[in-house]
Amino acid sequence: KAGVTQTPRYLIKTRGQQVTLSCSPISGHRSVSWYQQTPGQGLQFLFEYFSETQRNKGNFPGRFSGRQFSNSRSEMNVSTLELGDSALYLCASSADFLPTGELFFGEGSRLTVL
Amino acid sequence: AQSVTQLDSQVPVFEEAPVELRCNYSSSVSVYLFWYVQYPNQGLQLLLKYLSGSTLVKGINGFEAEFNKSQTSFHLRKPSVHISDTAEYFCAVSDRGQYGNKLVFGAGTILRVKS
Repeated sequence: KAGVTQTPRYLIKTRGQQVTLSCSPISGHRSVSWYQQTPGQGLQFLFEYFSETQRNKGNFPGRFSGRQFSNSRSEMNVSTLELGDSALYLCASSADFLPTGELFFGEGSRLTVL
Repeated sequence: AQSVTQLDSQVPVFEEAPVELRCNYSSSVSVYLFWYVQYPNQGLQLLLKYLSGSTLVKGINGFEAEFNKSQTSFHLRKPSVHISDTAEYFCAVSDRGQYGNKLVFGAGTILRVKS
């Protein structure tokens, strides 16, 4: 079956703009998590959605937000972009909401902020 | 708060040699432990996980890891590496008592396999 699909794969924005990233999980998976990956900070947890509700949130400012739709697809939005938001944003899906679950990652959306 | 320390940022090794990538975690609660691999320009893929039971865990591609509770370690090993194992490897931990799939990752170890 198809894996986790993230769009767009690459994008360039300028400071102050906003961006929306999309994630389609594996069919049947109900949990979607988002991570930010940068050379300096590594992989950092942004948030997790399950059944259209945000269940967990990392330590990111309110400029970072997300949502999940009834078909489990998820979007994340970053407003008022800063240079430090340049990163690879990874989406991961899981069949359930247990900490024992295996996460299936997409290839990521690489955001460059100029 | 949980933290994960990967003791080596880069590990160079010759093809067919054994390798060990080291991982220590710091947690006062019971945890689940994972190793993920990231190939260039790709997402992460689960190599193996420790949930309970035998402390020696076998994963994909010939990798294995040993959970050592007294030393709070979860080192990854492979007896004979291939060029195709060149990638970045991440150790991760999740809290057994938490609600959901939140993982705390280490900084990663780049494994470079040389011919």
